[in-house]
Amino acid sequence: DAGVIQSPRHEVTEMGQEVTLRCKPISGHNSLFWYRQTMMRGLELLIYFNNNVPIDDSGMPEDRFSAKMPNASFSTLKIQPSEPRDSAVYFCASSISGGTFHEQFFGPGTRLTVL
Amino acid sequence: DAKTTQPPSMDCAEGRAANLPCNHSTISGNEYVYWYRQIHSQGPQYIIHGLKNNETNEMASLIITEDRKSSTLILPHATLRDTAVYYCIVRVARQAGTALIFGKGTTLSVSS
Repeated sequence: DAGVIQSPRHEVTEMGQEVTLRCKPISGHNSLFWYRQTMMRGLELLIYFNNNVPIDDSGMPEDRFSAKMPNASFSTLKIQPSEPRDSAVYFCASSISGGTFHEQFFGPGTRLTVL
Repeated sequence: DAKTTQPPSMDCAEGRAANLPCNHSTISGNEYVYWYRQIHSQGPQYIIHGLKNNETNEMASLIITEDRKSSTLILPHATLRDTAVYYCIVRVARQAGTALIFGKGTTLSVSS
């Protein structure tokens, strides 16, 4: 089992550029979560999907952020245009929703630096 | 969702039990207690969860008080690799998935 796969692992870009982060959840998992971690704000939920449908996007900072899940095995988080304050580690996690199975599996994260 | 309170940091000697407390005095009847940890630069890792009863797995034990207003995570024989930030989270388990709301957690330092 490869676990949750995120790419790229590191991204350095300049302010104003578009950034796309990618996530492949664990096969068979039907919930997918995007989190962001900074020193100032800690770990924050951005958005999560259940069966490819966005359930809660209240954590998405502003219209510059968008997330999609076109199928059960792939999700993207896009920032356009990027700003220095978007610099953070972005984590993707997946789980099986419903029933009594509660564990979320996190990916290794993408460290984003916006200059 | 219920708020949790954890001490910001704790120290533990290697081989000893680490007991990490969490206060969740406003917990509702249908909210679970989850524990996750984050080792430096890695994604958070699930440890254990519980509703009412005490729970034990290969990683840790979770002791929940009878009134459910507090809990303790126990690492029975701490090792250096257990040095991490430990998060106590209280959430309802929803059919459509349960997003986690992380607080500041407790930084556990295990030393030899």
